[in-house]
Amino acid sequence: GEDVEQSLFLSVREGDSSVINCTYTDSSSTYLYWYKQEPGAGLQLLTYIFSNMDMKQDQRLTVLLNKKDKHLSLRIADTQTGDSAIYFCAESIGSSNTGKLIFGQGTTLQVKP
Amino acid sequence: NAGVTQTPKFQVLKTGQSMTLQCAQDMNHEYMSWYRQDPGMGLRLIHYSVGAGITDQGEVPNGYNVSRSTTEDFPLRLLSAAPSQTSVYFCASSYSPGVGAYEQYFGPGTRLTVT
Repeated sequence: GEDVEQSLFLSVREGDSSVINCTYTDSSSTYLYWYKQEPGAGLQLLTYIFSNMDMKQDQRLTVLLNKKDKHLSLRIADTQTGDSAIYFCAESIGSSNTGKLIFGQGTTLQVKP
Repeated sequence: NAGVTQTPKFQVLKTGQSMTLQCAQDMNHEYMSWYRQDPGMGLRLIHYSVGAGITDQGEVPNGYNVSRSTTEDFPLRLLSAAPSQTSVYFCASSYSPGVGAYEQYFGPGTRLTVT
C-alpha cells in the first residue's frame, strides 16, 4: 500500500537553513503537503505542491519535488527558534484528488539558539 | 470564527465503555475527517465525510462509527473501547476544492486513554 517515510529528527542552529526530506510511494498523488505541529496542538498546513510542479516558494519555505524519485523536501531559510516543531509530509491518495491523505511519521526539528 | 473545535480535550475510559468524541466547525466546510496520532506513526485516517449524510472509511476504521447529520458536526463514536484505541484524536475540515488542494484545518485534539 501507500507509504510515506521521513527521517525522525533534525537539529540546526538558528539562522541556518533546514532541509526536511520525505519519500512517498503513490506516483498518482495529485498534491503533496507539508504540515507543522507545535507541542500540544493540532496540525497547521504550511504549504503544498501540485504533482506536476518541481518547486514552490513561499516566503522562507521552498518545496522541491522530484517525481521520478518520489522525493519531496521542505527547506526553511533563516531558521528561527519558533520553527521548532514536528513537520509532517503527506500525500493525497490516488489520482482522483480526494482529501484522503497518507502522513509520514513526522520529523522533529530542533533549532538551537 | 472558532475554526474546528473538539471536546473533550482529555478522556479516560475503561475497556468496554463507549463514548463519543465531538467535532464541530463553523467554516461551512463540506469535507471533514478523523485521524488518530500514535507515537512514531504519523496520523492515520479513521473516517471521513464529503458532506452531510455521506461518510466513508479511511485506513483504520475498525471499532469506530461516524455520522454526519449536519454540515457543522462530525462526531466519532467508540463502540466498545479497547486499550489499542489509546491515542490522540484529531478532527479536520476543508472545503472541497474540486481540482485544487485540500487545505485542511485541524482541531486541537482529544487525548484518549483506555485502561
